[in-house]
Amino acid sequence: KNEVEQSPQNLTAQEGEFITINCSYSVGISALHWLQQHPGGGIVSLFMLSSGKKKHGRLIATINIQEKHSSLHITASHPRDSAVYICAVGDEKETSGSRLTFGEGTQLTVNP
Amino acid sequence: DVKVTQSSRYLVKRTGEKVFLECVQDMDHENMFWYRQDPGLGLRLIYFSYDVKMKEKGDIPEGYSVSREKKERFSLILESASTNQTSMYLCASSTYGPGWNSPLHFGNGTRLTVT
Repeated sequence: KNEVEQSPQNLTAQEGEFITINCSYSVGISALHWLQQHPGGGIVSLFMLSSGKKKHGRLIATINIQEKHSSLHITASHPRDSAVYICAVGDEKETSGSRLTFGEGTQLTVNP
Repeated sequence: DVKVTQSSRYLVKRTGEKVFLECVQDMDHENMFWYRQDPGLGLRLIYFSYDVKMKEKGDIPEGYSVSREKKERFSLILESASTNQTSMYLCASSTYGPGWNSPLHFGNGTRLTVT
């Protein structure tokens, strides 16, 4: 059974700080997703990756397949980055590709 | 931009009522999903559909059913609501399965309270 663990569970930062959120998983994966959930519930897809590194604006996602680990970095953090960040992975043995295992999320608060 | 619309943001129902949660997407996606989100448990898949009239059970289908009569609409039905179904319900859609690098597009969620 795939397990997805995120750390830290909660993170408070000052505006401008560099932030790292970690995600570890236990099985071979076909894809890893990073999602952002703002207060009120709506979820937005930030990244999908299966290898290497992706960058979008101030956000960077990396994945190390051998170590079964991914990180989400936020550079020059801003109060509007305050949200819950969720890691989700697809098991490479799950042939339909329809099931993801989700981490519990990391609550990020960025203070001005 | 893909838009996934859930019919209600907040819903309060009584135990034993039949509850319908509606979800509509406007991007002709093949795949649609219903998740519930509870503190400490993350998102869990209730049901998904990969085509009209096709459905598959997710990880926690008990007490729920679904309907997909048209490609754009995926309904979640609580046959007889119970208090343990109080939760945030999220609908999502994608072109292909998200396990194959297809992004998920979520609705804003419905917070259901069963009293």
